[in-house]
Amino acid sequence: QVQLVQSGAEVKKPGASVKVSCKASGYTFTSYGISWVRQAPGQGLEWMGWISGYNGHTKYAQKLQDRVTMTTDTSTSTVYMELRSLRSDDTALYYCARGFSGSYIDFWGQGTLVTVSS
Amino acid sequence: SYELTQPPSVSVSPGQTASITCSGDKLGNKYVCWYQQKPGQSPVLVIYQDTKRPSGIPERFSGSSSGNTATLTISGTQPMDEADYYCQAWDSSTMIFGGGTKLTVL
Repeated sequence: QVQLVQSGAEVKKPGASVKVSCKASGYTFTSYGISWVRQAPGQGLEWMGWISGYNGHTKYAQKLQDRVTMTTDTSTSTVYMELRSLRSDDTALYYCARGFSGSYIDFWGQGTLVTVSS
Repeated sequence: SYELTQPPSVSVSPGQTASITCSGDKLGNKYVCWYQQKPGQSPVLVIYQDTKRPSGIPERFSGSSSGNTATLTISGTQPMDEADYYCQAWDSSTMIFGGGTKLTVL
C-alpha cells in the first residue's frame, strides 16, 4: 500500500532553516510527483510547491519561491523540503502528498509540525 | 491571483443532503477535486476531476461543476461526515485551495 512517512516534529528559532523529509513506499517513486502543503494552526491548506519524482523538476508557490527548495533522492525514494529564513508565521503542520502536476492529490503523509519560536 | 471561495460553514441534519459550493472565475473550465479533513487527521480525497469518486469513498459523495461554481453533494449525510472540506484546482501551474467549509451534522 502507498505510504508517505514524514520526519518528526521540529522547533526552530526565527531566521533558521528547517528540512523535512518524506519517504515514499508502495509505488514506483519515479512515476509520480510530490506536493508539499502546509496548514497553520486552525487554518486552511496552503500549497507550497511540487517536485517530479522522475526528473526533479519543481514548481513553487510564488510567495515562497525565494525561501523554499524541494529535492529528491531516488535511491531512497525520499523527498525533502527545506524552508529558510523561518518566521513565526511559518509555524504549521507540513504535509507531503502524492500527485501529478496539474492534477489531484491521492495520498497524504501524516504531517510534520514545525514550530518557529524564539 | 486566482481564488476559490467556499462558505465557512454548512449545517445539515442527519439523513439530509448537504451541498458545499466552491466558486472561482471560469471554474467550470478547470478540473476540481475535494478533500475531507477530520480533526487531527490528514486530508482525504473524496472527489477528483469534478465528478469521480476514488475507490473506498461512499456513493453518497458526488460532485458537479459548471460555470463559475463546483459543488460537493453529500446525500443521506451521516454523523461521520462531519469534517472540514476543501476544494482544489490548478491555475497557471499553481495549486489553489479554497478556504475550507466546516460541515456540521446536527
